[in-house]
Amino acid sequence: GQNIDQPTEMTATEGAIVQINCTYQTSGFNGLFWYQQHAGEAPTFLSYNVLDGLEEKGRFSSFLSRSDSYGYLLLQELQMKDSASYLCAAMDSNYQLIWGAGTKLIIKP
Amino acid sequence: NAGVTQTPKFRVLKTGQSMTLLCAQDMNHEYMYWYRQDPGMGLRLIHYSVGEGTTAKGEVPDGYNVSRLKKQNFLLGLESAAPSQTSVYFCASSYSPDRNYEQYFGPGTRLTVT
Repeated sequence: GQNIDQPTEMTATEGAIVQINCTYQTSGFNGLFWYQQHAGEAPTFLSYNVLDGLEEKGRFSSFLSRSDSYGYLLLQELQMKDSASYLCAAMDSNYQLIWGAGTKLIIKP
Repeated sequence: NAGVTQTPKFRVLKTGQSMTLLCAQDMNHEYMYWYRQDPGMGLRLIHYSVGEGTTAKGEVPDGYNVSRLKKQNFLLGLESAAPSQTSVYFCASSYSPDRNYEQYFGPGTRLTVT
């Protein structure tokens, strides 16, 4: 079956760095996505990786290793507004997204 | 440019009642999706559409029907609501996923079935 695993909850301190890991198992693979979802709001797109390596976008970076079926989202210089759930999703061979349950990130001052 | 809009934002239904959720997008996207989001679970695809007049089943289609009569609108119907359908429903849209992958989400509809 198809499955996405990511931690349920993480806690970090304002100004620090946090890495949210994601492993996937899908029928075919067309890329790994990260979305941010604040409580009570809609998911918003953060990043997309289809090739191995690191993609940097400001304070947020995303990494993919296709051979390990693994990726991560790296958040630097954490701010209180980064408190949210981070959703990992893998696109399968039919171009459909398989979603993880999300990682709730709690930022403490 | 409103993006993706959903109506209503909140609804309470009694078991057996019916309702229709409306999704509209103004980005000229070909693809539209209906998801449900439940605590502790990932977003699950209910139905999707690859263009006007077409619909297809997703992972959890039972108990739901959809229609896409116009490119900009995607309707989700519950014919006979059940408590198991209590959830947050999100509509999303995108260009063809083989050329642009980002899905844009509406604000969600919070449905409670008693």
